Amino acid sequence: DAGVIQSPRHEVTEMGQEVTLRCKPISGHDYLFWYRQTMMRGLELLIYFNNNVPIDDSGMPEDRFSAKMPNASFSTLKIQPSEPRDSAVYFCASSLAGRGAFFGQGTRLTVV
Amino acid sequence: AQTVTQSQPEMSVQEAETVTLSCTYDTSENNYYLFWYKQPPSRQMILVIRQEAYKQQNATENRFSVNFQKAAKSFSLKISDSQLGDTAMYFCAFIVKAAGNKLTFGGGTRVLVKP
Repeated sequence: DAGVIQSPRHEVTEMGQEVTLRCKPISGHDYLFWYRQTMMRGLELLIYFNNNVPIDDSGMPEDRFSAKMPNASFSTLKIQPSEPRDSAVYFCASSLAGRGAFFGQGTRLTVV
Repeated sequence: AQTVTQSQPEMSVQEAETVTLSCTYDTSENNYYLFWYKQPPSRQMILVIRQEAYKQQNATENRFSVNFQKAAKSFSLKISDSQLGDTAMYFCAFIVKAAGNKLTFGGGTRVLVKP
């Protein structure tokens, strides 16, 4: 298996623009997690899904953030409109319940 | 609420020596899993080791081993024979089954291996 695949690896966008981050989990995994990592706040769980259903989105910072998982092999995290404070590394991870999550390589987002 | 605490922001160790990273956690549940992740400068998050709470035997993966003290809610990581490639951030994490398998991380410990 190719592991968790995230795209793009790097994204630079202007404030106010819409940003969409994409994730393909490992086939057969039933959990998918979105994390944000910054120097100030460390690793923050934004939202996670079980069998494509959102379980906990309490970490989503504002209504500007939304996430979807239309099927077992694809998820998106959207920020609209983006702001400079959204600059961070965004990770997607997938797991088979309880066995530990495997992470993608992350998307480094810079909002200028 | 489920929480994970890593009290050491940074540690350094000489190459070939041993370093131990501490981690404590808080949960009222009995069924959970504990993990250590490594994040090198490449920023890739790598699962290093995993421990089921119902197992008394401490997990080991090559030079990495854990000391799991369930009563104390402690889960430390020992890196033996440290190598330069072990330089990284190390995160302790856990999943509580009754809490929906939410993966919760500690704040991390930066490890620097010196030649």
